[in-house]
Amino acid sequence: QVQLVQSGAEVKKPGASVWISCKASGYTFAKNAIHWVRQAPGQRLEWMGWINVNSGHTESSQKFQDRVTITSDTSADTAYMELNSLRSEDTAVYYCAREAPNYAFFDYWGQGSLVTVSS
Amino acid sequence: QTTVTQEPAFSVSLGETVTLTCGLNSGSVSINNYPSWYQQAPGQAPRTLIYNTNTRSSGVPDRFSGSTLGNRAALTITGAQANDESDYYCALYMGSSIWVFGGGTKLTVL
Repeated sequence: QVQLVQSGAEVKKPGASVWISCKASGYTFAKNAIHWVRQAPGQRLEWMGWINVNSGHTESSQKFQDRVTITSDTSADTAYMELNSLRSEDTAVYYCAREAPNYAFFDYWGQGSLVTVSS
Repeated sequence: QTTVTQEPAFSVSLGETVTLTCGLNSGSVSINNYPSWYQQAPGQAPRTLIYNTNTRSSGVPDRFSGSTLGNRAALTITGAQANDESDYYCALYMGSSIWVFGGGTKLTVL
């Protein structure tokens, strides 16, 4: 069955960077895009960006364009999201999600990775 | 700045029907936005309910249905159950490889 397993919780200081991984299994990794979505405590889901795993092409929300890097490693069936210049407002649970082949929606989700930014 | 709007909160009595909606601050939601709906219980990852406006995701009970209501996308829960008490989010594809989530609706089942 399709699974997305994310890396564990992180605590970072303001100004630092964080890497989160998302390991896929149960399907051919290169066939589906991977998206990143975050949720600050008590707040809404917020779409951050995505990667076409097959081509490596990425797009991101204007809000994060200068600070986010999304990559993938098809040999490891893993996608990565790096967010730099962290600030307290980046404290959130970060989810990866698989984009279904059609209809522009997210059909499988990772379990989430909590990132806490605190001095 | 595109904003996707949802009712912040809604309540429904056990066994009754409720319709949640999802709109755009400018313009109408269309099929080209590929509206999708997600249910999120506290502390859990989102669960996909509906995609492409009205197609139920695998394993989703048929009491959940999607539609268009005027210029908005809609999620209807028919015969609400206690475990339907969750947050519900819509997502819209805005074109140019950009997606936006709505603010979410907190549903209380009375």
